[in-house]
Amino acid sequence: AAGVIQSPRHLIKEKRETATLKCYPIPRHDTVYWYQQGPGQDPQFLISFYEKMQSDKGSIPDRFSAQQFSDYHSELNMSSLELGDSALYFCASSRDFLSRDTQYFGPGTRLTVL
Amino acid sequence: DQQVKQNSPSLSVQEGRISILNCDYTNSMFDYFLWYKKYPAEGPTFLISISSIKDKNEDGRFTVFLNKSAKHLSLHIVPSQPGDSAVYFCAARVETSGSRLTFGEGTQLTVNP
Repeated sequence: AAGVIQSPRHLIKEKRETATLKCYPIPRHDTVYWYQQGPGQDPQFLISFYEKMQSDKGSIPDRFSAQQFSDYHSELNMSSLELGDSALYFCASSRDFLSRDTQYFGPGTRLTVL
Repeated sequence: DQQVKQNSPSLSVQEGRISILNCDYTNSMFDYFLWYKKYPAEGPTFLISISSIKDKNEDGRFTVFLNKSAKHLSLHIVPSQPGDSAVYFCAARVETSGSRLTFGEGTQLTVNP
């Protein structure tokens, strides 16, 4: 079965640079979620989109922005990167936001900021 | 403020025995709970869930128990297999305020042959 696709899988950036993470949800899934997992920590919710509109917002820094496109893929844009942004970034998708369907996670993008 | 807590960072059991992973929560608004399994270099994989209107849900070798009054849930794996070795995350959500998941810190389960 098709799963959530994230690219790139690994990304190395310098401080103050920008990064773009991409997420391709499972086909026919209309909701996308972004989570950040720091070293030795649990995943923390950042933001979610339903039908291309922001549906919920968590602890996402102002330096980060995200959007969902007409094909339902989503991009997380990160600017002025800091050392503390080094983390695993997971994208998850679900079939129906309104029914609170189960979230299925991608393999993650490991971002390292030097 | 850790609203979902998994107090055991690690658990080691013998193959064929029962594994019991525990999770406590503090937010009484949580009304849906999930367990995810995570292997290194992979994303969390959904295992089993339970609604707050139930106290037990079973799926094959996996059973989740919910004690609402104690704000406690547990995942039982019987019989445990070496392939079950992974990090297990407990997660919770509030149905009326979006679908964001709040995760616990995770428990590393090791099943020894």
